Amino acid sequence: ETGVTQTPRHLVMGMTNKKSLKCEQHLGHNAMYWYKQSAKKPLELMFVYNFKEQTENNSVPSRFSPECPNSSHLFLHLHTLQPEDSALYLCASSQEVRTGGFGANVLTFGAGSRLTVL
Amino acid sequence: AQKITQTQPGMFVQEKEAVTLDCTYDTSDPSYGLFWYKQPSSGEMIFLIYQGSYDQQNATEGRYSLNFQKARKSANLVISASQLGDSAMYFCAMREVWSNTGKLIFGQGTTLQVKP
Repeated sequence: ETGVTQTPRHLVMGMTNKKSLKCEQHLGHNAMYWYKQSAKKPLELMFVYNFKEQTENNSVPSRFSPECPNSSHLFLHLHTLQPEDSALYLCASSQEVRTGGFGANVLTFGAGSRLTVL
Repeated sequence: AQKITQTQPGMFVQEKEAVTLDCTYDTSDPSYGLFWYKQPSSGEMIFLIYQGSYDQQNATEGRYSLNFQKARKSANLVISASQLGDSAMYFCAMREVWSNTGKLIFGQGTTLQVKP
């Protein structure tokens, strides 16, 4: 496996279900990101992890719960979602420095997990 | 606050011709990076080209070039010799270098269709 891998690629869930999205990067990067892409809206940054520490939570509802156990893995735990949460969820990673600014490093994206909430 | 604006929801171009996709941005940070990504129907975001705010020359990568006009705060993508495979959604994005969160923000995107 190379690059950034997201599973599952497609997920259909009811509003009372609990599911998780998984992201794994094989690039040796130390920062990971979750983005949400809804129809006709710009990509919205949800969470940023740098060296396993969360550095950004963009006012995301608590029904979305991220987990970053190590620099290679990122999860998005989902529970009691709403139909408006249906979207493409994109994971990305980049190589960053621990301190002194993030630099202008390229984010490498996975193919996304398309979520449908019924 | 950071902001990226792409004013062209959709564009058409004839195969083998050049096309320019517009992007304007706003930031108070003197150090920033500008990116263009391509998103085909498969969904994956593919990095195309990068321009740093202090770069003296416009970035080029194969058929892609970035027309960077700092004073106007614009970073337009030029695709030369369009191919059918260029049909996709294109996103302009910006990242402030000294942000403490690493936030990369995106514009609304432009859908490009290449006609045979």
